[in-house]
Amino acid sequence: EAQVTQNPRYLITVTGKKLTVTCSQNMNHEYMSWYRQDPGLGLRQIYYSMNVEVTDKGDVPEGYKVSRKEKRNFPLILESPSPNQTSLYFCASSGTREAFREQFFGPGTRLTVL
Amino acid sequence: TQLLEQSPQFLSIQEGENLTVYCNSSSVFSSLQWYRQEPGEGPVLLVTVVTGGEVKKLKRLTFQFGDARKDSSLHITAAQPGDTGLYLCAGRSNYQLIWGAGTKLIIKP
Repeated sequence: EAQVTQNPRYLITVTGKKLTVTCSQNMNHEYMSWYRQDPGLGLRQIYYSMNVEVTDKGDVPEGYKVSRKEKRNFPLILESPSPNQTSLYFCASSGTREAFREQFFGPGTRLTVL
Repeated sequence: TQLLEQSPQFLSIQEGENLTVYCNSSSVFSSLQWYRQEPGEGPVLLVTVVTGGEVKKLKRLTFQFGDARKDSSLHITAAQPGDTGLYLCAGRSNYQLIWGAGTKLIIKP
């Protein structure tokens, strides 16, 4: 089944404790992206990647890191999480190098930083 | 800053009623997408409209792109509980995708 998977689905952590949210897609997509979703603000892009070893900042990159060592994986790293990073996070992929074709989203990771 | 405003933010209606939700901007978009997001899941693409004035139908859902490509509407006929979800619009401007905050729709049986 073609899909984007994220792990964990739920995470509660404390300020300053490094964490990684994994994202994997099995559709051989070139484009991958991370978003955060907050009430009333919609989806805001954190980072995106148009291909292996190519990443770029989105609208809200501060406090986040990403890497794209393999085509299928695009982990999101929070080196020192803070409470304002409490949010619902989505990974997405697209079959082209562009964000504005159809994007396939993962099920989301709900992160709480205490 | 480009913005896509969706209205209403929240809508709760009875099964069988019709409804329209809107996606408006002062900016021109080369295309616009509508996604539906169900609780606990990621958004799923419903439709992409490209041409000003374009109308697309997906069963009971009718999508329209404004003539000036600054706005779009989604009309649902005879809404059903399965239509419940968060409806998001996203507009393409140059190489960016601009997202609206969504309309949360609840259809009561």
